[in-house]
Amino acid sequence: DAGVTQSPTHLIKTRGQQVTLRCSPKSGHDTVSWYQQALGQGPQFIFQYYEEEERQRGNFPDRFSGHQFPNYSSELNVNALLLGDSALYLCASSGWDRSVGQYFGPGTRLTVT
Amino acid sequence: GDSVTQMEGPVTLSEEAFLTINCTYTATGYPSLFWYVQYPGEGLQLLLKATKADDKGSNKGFEATYRKETTSFHLEKGSVQVSDSAVYFCALSPRNSGNTPLVFGKGTRLSVIA
Repeated sequence: DAGVTQSPTHLIKTRGQQVTLRCSPKSGHDTVSWYQQALGQGPQFIFQYYEEEERQRGNFPDRFSGHQFPNYSSELNVNALLLGDSALYLCASSGWDRSVGQYFGPGTRLTVT
Repeated sequence: GDSVTQMEGPVTLSEEAFLTINCTYTATGYPSLFWYVQYPGEGLQLLLKATKADDKGSNKGFEATYRKETTSFHLEKGSVQVSDSAVYFCALSPRNSGNTPLVFGKGTRLSVIA
């Protein structure tokens, strides 16, 4: 059973550019959440997708947007990249068994130069 | 708002030493509490959880007890191994639901030396 997968593993972008990160949830999971983990910090919640709609959002600007596809996979888009967007971006999925909690992927390391 | 505070690291221990990583939380209602572990270069793995007061979560020799009266969820292990070296995150979910966004502490780096 494949867990949560993310691509790419690493990414280097220039300030002002746009980036798209991808996530496939664990088999059987229908909800995807995205988190940003800055160096030396705990993950911060960006937003959550369920039934192809953004259901909850953390304190992140509109430059951060997302999408969920009918197969439950998801994308995170960041426009007008800033140096401060450099971080590890984590995708987490969850399913009908709410008591189990969220499963995390390995993350995408984004570096903005 | 909801928040998690955990002890500053890094923590360096010798193999077979006793481990305690302190975690306290602030939340309204009755949150679920979690410990996640992050090994170098990897994502987060759920280590253990507790969903109500006095519950004890345990896994791989690690334990933590949900203490509502002290709003704490301290992580303990009786005898650490070199392979336990990682960053440990305490987290809460404001409602007892797997889909509620998690609120994390800043993490505590543990290094175990042989």
